[in-house]
Amino acid sequence: DAKTTQPNSMESNEEEPVHLPCNHSTISGTDYIHWYRQLPSQGPEYVIHGLTSNVNNRMASLAIAEDRKSSTLILHRATLRDAAVYYCIKRDDKIIFGKGTRLHILP
Amino acid sequence: DGGITQSPKYLFRKEGQNVTLSCEQNLNHDAMYWYRQDPGQGLRLIYYSQIVNDFQKGDIAEGYSVSREKKESFPLTVTSAQKNPTAFYLCASSMAGGANYGYTFGSGTRLTVV
Repeated sequence: DAKTTQPNSMESNEEEPVHLPCNHSTISGTDYIHWYRQLPSQGPEYVIHGLTSNVNNRMASLAIAEDRKSSTLILHRATLRDAAVYYCIKRDDKIIFGKGTRLHILP
Repeated sequence: DGGITQSPKYLFRKEGQNVTLSCEQNLNHDAMYWYRQDPGQGLRLIYYSQIVNDFQKGDIAEGYSVSREKKESFPLTVTSAQKNPTAFYLCASSMAGGANYGYTFGSGTRLTVV
């Protein structure tokens, strides 16, 4: 079972940090956590991924719980261009997508 | 620049006709995938291929067929047996051999049955 659990939608104000949660209680020791985001009528875009420790890149940060059963994607300063559907995924040999979290950014 | 190209961007098909969606990548990726997305829904896996001349069914393979004769190409045929083919189709690719590799997606083909 490659399912993860995310809230259906979230709102945030522009220029404020956003914390997007994800539960993956059935994760195995070798599963990576990947995050993608999708703008309307476009293909998903890779955001970040990690295994055990926290990860940072130019787009976002990924905080993984010590027991690895949950993780949080952090957008440090949201802009209107960050409004998208965000998918949290347990990565094995194929990616199974859930419905993701629709992030609304309020100007 | 390396990437994935899906063509056409929009496709119209009459009921009862087969149609083939193109997906080409120049990233030298081993694995390729096809997903279907319906309005307001997530992506559902149709077929995937980890190596040339081999592919596996995903969750919704009925009514679809694929081939993988070349590493860089993974065309998807939507057959007349697919009951509700109108959807947004996405192709993706990745390096094989582990979960430490991300996916690269194409920009999609929107298929409408008329």
